[in-house]
Amino acid sequence: GNSVTQMEGPVTLSEEAFLTINCTYTATGYPSLFWYVQYPGEGLQLLLKATKADDKGSNKGFEATYRKETTSFHLEKGSVQVSDSAVYFCALSFNDYKLSFGAGTTVTVRA
Amino acid sequence: EAQVTQNPRYLITVTGKKLTVTCSQNMNHEYMSWYRQDPGLGLRQIYYSMNVEVTDKGDVPEGYKVSRKEKRNFPLILESPSPNQTSLYFCASSLSPARTSNTGELFFGEGSRLTVL
Repeated sequence: GNSVTQMEGPVTLSEEAFLTINCTYTATGYPSLFWYVQYPGEGLQLLLKATKADDKGSNKGFEATYRKETTSFHLEKGSVQVSDSAVYFCALSFNDYKLSFGAGTTVTVRA
Repeated sequence: EAQVTQNPRYLITVTGKKLTVTCSQNMNHEYMSWYRQDPGLGLRQIYYSMNVEVTDKGDVPEGYKVSRKEKRNFPLILESPSPNQTSLYFCASSLSPARTSNTGELFFGEGSRLTVL
């Protein structure tokens, strides 16, 4: 079946540090790939997405590139802020009826 | 304001006492879904609905029921809750995948934390 594997957290960083969260997937075919973010006490919200190989999704300084050859969609941000502290979920979908989520990575940014 | 609203946000109950978690969206979305979030497991889909009177099982439907009598509402029913249903529950909605304007984005409620003793 389809599955998503994320790097385990928690991840703790200082402000202005570089952030990478690894995400790889297993699927038959080429799904759409997503990163969702969950701020404390809130529901998930879409951060960025990519629908085909070599697409780059970007938003709020975050980027992720759909790599078909490595079945990966790693999330990166060059300079994190305290406000980026959240749980980040990688997810895939084939038909938009259902998202398959990774386990989530908790990121804490210290001032 | 476009939103998905869940109630209650927090609930502590006892084994076997029927409960309903309500979900309502004001975006005229056709698709609605329930997820549960557990540590180390991410979000797992319980049930989904593609439109009024159309529902189907997700990955973990056991112990849950849903109904979709109106487009805006999608309640989650636990007929006889058990401790293994202690979890954080999220309702989500989106436009139908058949619409060309659908971006694939799910809109989530703020979550309902359920504890079954």
